[in-house]
Amino acid sequence: GGIITQTPKFLIGQEGQKLTLKCQQNFNHDTMYWYRQDSGKGLRLIYYSITENDLQKGDLSEGYDASREKKSSFSLTVTSAQKNEMAVFLCASSSTGVGAETLYFGSGTRLTVL
Amino acid sequence: AQSVTQPDARVTVSEGASLQLRCKYSYSATPYLFWYVQYPRQGLQLLLKYYSGDPVVQGVNSFEAEFSKSNSSFHLQKASVHWSDSAVYFCALSPNAYKVIFGKGTHLHVLP
Repeated sequence: GGIITQTPKFLIGQEGQKLTLKCQQNFNHDTMYWYRQDSGKGLRLIYYSITENDLQKGDLSEGYDASREKKSSFSLTVTSAQKNEMAVFLCASSSTGVGAETLYFGSGTRLTVL
Repeated sequence: AQSVTQPDARVTVSEGASLQLRCKYSYSATPYLFWYVQYPRQGLQLLLKYYSGDPVVQGVNSFEAEFSKSNSSFHLQKASVHWSDSAVYFCALSPNAYKVIFGKGTHLHVLP
């Protein structure tokens, strides 16, 4: 088995601030994802990465940057935090990106912007 | 358009009762279909998945789901729920590589 570790668990920022969320996985999976979870809206894909140094935009990439410098880690940056924003950011990984693959999720980073 | 609809935002049942959580999908072919569960302050965990074969799929913790092509549905069922099943359940489809479309989730509350 493996685990996905997201840090920090809670993140409080100020409007306009650049904020970075980190994700580590020890599954040795090739593909990693960042999702945003808003209450009542399900999960929306922000970025994904097929391999080290690869980045692919999802449906919600505007306002975010991502980085995959190592196979085991995937970082997400909120480029300018929006006032009163509250969301949970979930990192996930899968062995490949093929449709039947199971996604394995971290427990999330909860963002609050004051 | 590809989409997943979970028509019930919240479902409340008593412990020991049977359960059905509904999921309808929109996709031109047969997609990969999933049910995930999210316990409080945790990430999502896979309950079961389907692509082909027997339309009734068995999952973890005695959950099962039935695929219906004619109804474009993939409903989740359990014969007897326990209070620990209280969680948010997400139906999802994967139409192609790297893309997973999630429903908005159904909050299940099991009364002890």
